Amino acid sequence: GDSVTQMEGPVTLSEEAFLTINCTYTATGYPSLFWYVQYPGEGLQLLLKATKADDKGSNKGFEATYRKETTSFHLEKGSVQVSDSAVYFCALSMIYNQGGKLIFGQGTELSVKP
Amino acid sequence: GAVVSQHPSWVICKSGTSVKIECRSLDFQATTMFWYRQFPKQSLMLMATSNEGSKATYEQGVEKDKFLINHASLTLSTLTVTSAHPEDSSFYICSARLSGPVNEQYFGPGTRLTVT
Repeated sequence: GDSVTQMEGPVTLSEEAFLTINCTYTATGYPSLFWYVQYPGEGLQLLLKATKADDKGSNKGFEATYRKETTSFHLEKGSVQVSDSAVYFCALSMIYNQGGKLIFGQGTELSVKP
Repeated sequence: GAVVSQHPSWVICKSGTSVKIECRSLDFQATTMFWYRQFPKQSLMLMATSNEGSKATYEQGVEKDKFLINHASLTLSTLTVTSAHPEDSSFYICSARLSGPVNEQYFGPGTRLTVT
């Protein structure tokens, strides 16, 4: 079945370091891909999305490119801040299958130290 | 835009009682809402898909008689945990789907349920 795999955390970085969180997926069709962020004790916030191959989603300095050939959607940021500390979830959705459910990766905890 | 609220944000109830959690889409209409459960340090587990005006679709292993879902309007879905037990203690999160081909979902802030 469809699935999402993320790199394991926690990831600990110093402020202004470069961030990469790997995400790969398995899907039978052409999914939409998402990154969500969850701050402690809160729900999820949509960070960025991409709907087709080679699309690049971007928001708040974060970027991810939909790579069909490698079935990947890695999250990157050039210079992280302490306020970026959170759990990041990669997800896919097949709108015409399964009622549009989101399938999540296991989440990657990011901790940024000053 | 695309704001989803949940109420209450936290609740403590005694074992054997029922508790209702509301999920509202504040600035858009949502024909489909989803209910998730999240354990500490884990990902979200989809419990059910709630469609306005029809019965909810439950994921395998989720007791539909225990977790009652009602989606009576385009902006409100409710989850009622009936005869709650301590093992039902968890973080419950809802999401509402924005109409369109991309399936953007917007999440509520979550409800922390503690059953004593």
